[in-house]
Amino acid sequence: DGGITQSPKYLFRKEGQNVTLSCEQNLNHDAMYWYRQDPGQGLRLIYYSQIVNDFQKGDIAEGYSVSREKKESFPLTVTSAQKNPTAFYLCASIQGNNGYTFGSGTRLTVV
Amino acid sequence: SQQGEEDPQALSIQEGENATMNCSYKTSINNLQWYRQNSGRGLVHLILIRSNEREKHSGRLRVTLDTSKKSSSLLITASRAADTASYFCATGPGGGSYIPTFGRGTSLIVHP
Repeated sequence: DGGITQSPKYLFRKEGQNVTLSCEQNLNHDAMYWYRQDPGQGLRLIYYSQIVNDFQKGDIAEGYSVSREKKESFPLTVTSAQKNPTAFYLCASIQGNNGYTFGSGTRLTVV
Repeated sequence: SQQGEEDPQALSIQEGENATMNCSYKTSINNLQWYRQNSGRGLVHLILIRSNEREKHSGRLRVTLDTSKKSSSLLITASRAADTASYFCATGPGGGSYIPTFGRGTSLIVHP
């Protein structure tokens, strides 16, 4: 079945560590997105990529980095520069002007 | 970026009742989408309505779109406890790159 796989489901980060969240899709979608969701809040756009080897900053890109070397993969790195990384991270993809397909999310906690 | 804002922020009803939630946006759109999110899970796409459509049905879901008022509503009929979730709208812009944004959602609780 086609879909988006995010891993891991839960991730714990120590202060000063970089961590990478994985997002893989087998839908052959061109565009992929990373969102952050805080408790009781909506989704805020971190980064997006509309084509391989190209990506753009969203509304809250500071402290995050991404790469898009392959169409099916869009990993997100939460760097030590992100001072408040504890949140729920959602990856999504889309083809054309249709609805998003979302992954099941990664919950990141700073310990 | 476009913005959809849902209203009310929270809604509590009894099983069997209808639930209506609204979404307002600011600029012209190509389409509007509704999503559902169960606690701690990703968003699930429910329904998409295009700017030239006024009403769309899918099972117990009914979506309306009024482009003159820049608003949409999602009606869930004969609600069930399993409908308990947060519901979000997202708008697709009228042209250019497709970067819809999401509001804070409506938190729906259906009591059995």
